[in-house]
Amino acid sequence: SQTIHQWPATLVQPVGSPLSLECTVEGTSNPNLYWYRQAAGRGLQLLFYSVGIGQISSEVPQNLSASRPQDRQFILSSKKLLLSDSGFYLCAWSVPKWGISGYTFGSGTRLTVV
Amino acid sequence: GQNIDQPTEMTATEGAIVQINCTYQTSGFNGLFWYQQHAGEAPTFLSYNVLDGLEEKGRFSSFLSRSKGYSYLLLKELQMKDSASYLCAVRRGSGTYKYIFGTGTRLKVLA
Repeated sequence: SQTIHQWPATLVQPVGSPLSLECTVEGTSNPNLYWYRQAAGRGLQLLFYSVGIGQISSEVPQNLSASRPQDRQFILSSKKLLLSDSGFYLCAWSVPKWGISGYTFGSGTRLTVV
Repeated sequence: GQNIDQPTEMTATEGAIVQINCTYQTSGFNGLFWYQQHAGEAPTFLSYNVLDGLEEKGRFSSFLSRSKGYSYLLLKELQMKDSASYLCAVRRGSGTYKYIFGTGTRLKVLA
């Protein structure tokens, strides 16, 4: 069966520090991978998605970047965190074709920038 | 533009029935999804509609009218554990794989 791992679960970082969040998927090949952010009281905002190794699409201009160095690994990074980067970050995967399964989300990382 | 609207909060009693509405405006519609999200946790998939009509899954049902840009999630025989946020999401086609999420409806089930 497919599983998705995301870590760390919580993170408190000072403003200006770097960030690296990692997500890995097991049990599937060539998944579509996504990074979402959920700010307090707000909906899920799509940050990046990837349909293959090295293929990254950015949805909104911001202080973050993403990379996909391996088929089942997706990394979210920042060189210098801002206070506004605080939020609940979710990695998700889906099959690379239309279907009824939708997304499967990782357990999320709660990031607090102080 | 793209827009998804849901009520912010709803309250219902244990054992009752509640309907959570979602209206959307988007191009390239290719399916509507409902997710459940408990506080502090990741969303989990509940249901999917791509054609008009009602899809039933146990205590949960979801309805879609594409001409009206409207969906609802129906929860029957409410239980305390159903207290959560319910997210409506539209999947867009046209060669992309993006889902647009509403802000969610926070449902409180009272004893």
